[in-house]
Amino acid sequence: GAGVSQSPSNKVTEKGKDVELRCDPISGHTALYWYRQSLGQGLEFLIYFQGNSAPDKSGLPSDRFSAERTGGSVSTLTIQRTQQEDSAVYLCASSSPGLGYHEQYFGPGTRLTVT
Amino acid sequence: SQQGEEDPQALSIQEGENATMNCSYKTSINNLQWYRQNSGRGLVHLILIRSNEREKHSGRLRVTLDTSKKSSSLLITASRAADTASYFCAFFSGGYNKLIFGAGTRLAVHP
Repeated sequence: GAGVSQSPSNKVTEKGKDVELRCDPISGHTALYWYRQSLGQGLEFLIYFQGNSAPDKSGLPSDRFSAERTGGSVSTLTIQRTQQEDSAVYLCASSSPGLGYHEQYFGPGTRLTVT
Repeated sequence: SQQGEEDPQALSIQEGENATMNCSYKTSINNLQWYRQNSGRGLVHLILIRSNEREKHSGRLRVTLDTSKKSSSLLITASRAADTASYFCAFFSGGYNKLIFGAGTRLAVHP
């Protein structure tokens, strides 16, 4: 079946603008995760969804960041009033109860550049 | 910090040689995973080792885990140019809400 997809693949925006990043998880995966990867760095956890609820938002760096998930499927990460330090690759992952939530399947990411 | 630490940061070898990457962590873990990230692509899960396991194999990959030293190693045998990628260790701590990643090892395998 199809893997995790993300859109757009690349986004260039001006400082101060809002952006929306989309993630389509693997069908049937109830858990969804957002991570951020700065250049040459490891991944930084942002938020976790179980169904439509987000029991763990501990990684969101500021109140400019928010995320929602609807229908237990698609998720949108919104960054308001973007800053240059928001430039990074934003990765989405999903997992299935059948896997015991242990293995996460990652999308290709959205590369965000704030100018 | 809960983040894992990996060494070396970068590794350059010839095809056919073995590559060893190490990961250390500071918290108690349920399991430890290794992921690969090719340039311009997402992460791919390679292998998972549980906290009660000491060694695990998958094809040319061998992973060890020493919970007393809070460390793990990934060995890639008979490396190929296609193994060129960044390799990350990752682990859950205190639940399965989020993976904590190391900074990664950049492996370059030269033909």
